[in-house]
Amino acid sequence: GAVVSQHPSRVICKSGTSVKIECRSLDFQATTMFWYRQFPKQSLMLMATSNEGSKATYEQGVEKDKFLINHASLTLSTLTVTSAHPEDSSFYICSEELAGDNEQFFGPGTRLTVL
Amino acid sequence: GQQLNQSPQSMFIQEGEDVSMNCTSSSIFNTWLWYKQDPGEGPVLLIALYKAGELTSNGRLTAQFGITRKDSFLNISASIPSDVGIYFCAGPGRGTSYGKLTFGQGTILTVHP
Repeated sequence: GAVVSQHPSRVICKSGTSVKIECRSLDFQATTMFWYRQFPKQSLMLMATSNEGSKATYEQGVEKDKFLINHASLTLSTLTVTSAHPEDSSFYICSEELAGDNEQFFGPGTRLTVL
Repeated sequence: GQQLNQSPQSMFIQEGEDVSMNCTSSSIFNTWLWYKQDPGEGPVLLIALYKAGELTSNGRLTAQFGITRKDSFLNISASIPSDVGIYFCAGPGRGTSYGKLTFGQGTILTVHP
């Protein structure tokens, strides 16, 4: 499978600040990556599909101006949570899919805590 | 939208026991994926199923793709403490946009030594 890294693994910030989370594909070039959010004791919810060289596709109910996604290269996608608030505190996980067979490989996740 | 119903929600078992969990859908799925998530980590792919009726093993894990294409189960034999975690089923379903997965609610597995 693919190896995906995320940075940082944990971040604590004050309300109103912006936080950038990086997702890197370490062994494959990924034209498409996915961003998920997971609240405690809940399942993964897809936030957006990140497309290299084009705009991300956001799921219904996800504010594109709040969760900025940039996929400028085939190995890096970034998620920026702008003007973060306590309700944005969550576990953010990215993934990539290989070979179009629907198997997604996930990064280790980023725990965001907004005070 | 498509939903996956996963059961049971949680299981408490003794080390050495076998475990079974399943996932059902109201619509047809073309692929079934089973993931395990350890606390504070991202999910790890355990088994992928692509054909109705397919039975696939990965060590002590066995999963099957239901013939109706609306269900799948995962069995774990002779459980050990490191099997503890949350198990998720997932799949793209028919008509789903490229790559988009729907996840079940998860089964929390606790193994007592």
